[in-house]
Amino acid sequence: QVQLQESGPGLVKPSQTLSLTCTVSGGSISSGGYYWSWIRQHPGKGLEWIGYIYYSGSTYYNPSLKSRVTISVDTSKNQFSLKLSSVTAADTAVYYCARTTLYSENWGQGTLVTVSS
Amino acid sequence: EIVLTQSPATLSLSPGERATLSCRASQSVSSYLAWYQQKPGQAPRLLIYDASNRATGIPARFSGSGSGTDFTLTISSLEPEDFAVYYCQQRSNWRTFGPGTKVDIK
Repeated sequence: QVQLQESGPGLVKPSQTLSLTCTVSGGSISSGGYYWSWIRQHPGKGLEWIGYIYYSGSTYYNPSLKSRVTISVDTSKNQFSLKLSSVTAADTAVYYCARTTLYSENWGQGTLVTVSS
Repeated sequence: EIVLTQSPATLSLSPGERATLSCRASQSVSSYLAWYQQKPGQAPRLLIYDASNRATGIPARFSGSGSGTDFTLTISSLEPEDFAVYYCQQRSNWRTFGPGTKVDIK
């Protein structure tokens, strides 16, 4: 059973870059057939898809965040990462990584990132 | 962007009752719609994909229907563990979620 685990700083200052990593176990990112996604949830609110990456490096980003988002993959470490630049308080959220085919069956537990000085 | 609207925002029911949740899309998404369940402090769990297919391990009391712009998630008889927030999500054009319906205990 594949498992995903998010890691990274829980506190980021405004205007800085948020960086998170998702470590995948129980399955290989390189095996193909899946996209690797980042999804966030603002406190007490709904869900927002940030983007996803294929093991080959092809990426797809939410148009509303595209100018600030970079998702990358490191197949040697079985990890993929999120960078979100120029953050503001509006980027405070729980960030989830997920394995996605047509939909997302496997999710990490989520990590809260707070943007504050 | 395809906007999903869910109704009602909150549904107050008792265990054993039938729950009917609605999701409406701003334009047709064909059958490319899923339903997720989320409990406090947990990640969402996929229940239904492509409008009417149960995901692996999902009990038969959960069923989905609809196509185009109008979709329904039905829980035939609520179990105590079913009280949660339910989101719909489309994959027809990018991927967006609805705002959720909270099913709470009456």
